Amino acid sequence: LAKTTQPISMDSYEGQEVNITCSHNNIATNDYITWYQQFPSQGPRFIIQGYKTKVTNEVASLFIPADRKSSTLSLPRVSLSDTAVYYCLVGDKYNFNKFYFGSGTKLNVKP
Amino acid sequence: EAGVAQSPRYKIIEKRQSVAFWCNPISGHATLYWYQQILGQGPKLLIQFQNNGVVDDSQLPKDRFSAERLKGVDSTLKIQPAKLEDSAVYLCASRDILRGDTGELFFGEGSRLTVL
Repeated sequence: LAKTTQPISMDSYEGQEVNITCSHNNIATNDYITWYQQFPSQGPRFIIQGYKTKVTNEVASLFIPADRKSSTLSLPRVSLSDTAVYYCLVGDKYNFNKFYFGSGTKLNVKP
Repeated sequence: EAGVAQSPRYKIIEKRQSVAFWCNPISGHATLYWYQQILGQGPKLLIQFQNNGVVDDSQLPKDRFSAERLKGVDSTLKIQPAKLEDSAVYLCASRDILRGDTGELFFGEGSRLTVL
């Protein structure tokens, strides 16, 4: 099972772009990379998922290099409401019981 | 579309007592998960159901935890007897695995358990 490594915490200021990198050296061929966001007292919420290159949606971008051993979640122009814990997960999206949450990255956005 | 419903939101019990948590997934979602999230940690998968069958319960402490999903819709997670280390948020999630186009899990708000 591919384990992930993320920074424990990050600080940013409102309006800045934030990039959170996740390392997953043992990623398997069928594995996808998924990111979740969690606010206090709430369940995690899906942000974005990708397999290779770049994926973009209305809230974030996900950059995955060719070797797929790492990935970067990019949040454009963060606001105070983006303060949350961000989890990177790696696994076969068709067998979600093999997705494991790590400890995540606590993003603190300052005014 | 209604989200994943969980109850109760908060529960305080003494150690060795029992507790039950209920989850109603999003309508039509065949796959249901229970996670345990201890303060400061990421969610840990306890059990996964596909309809009313168990797919994976390898991390469920079966001596004290049990879960069921009798009719393939809502589910109950029970702890008996509770220990101090069971204090955590119990999260329920569901997924429409038949579509499977994103693999997105939909989580409820969780049930916070405090064992004294």
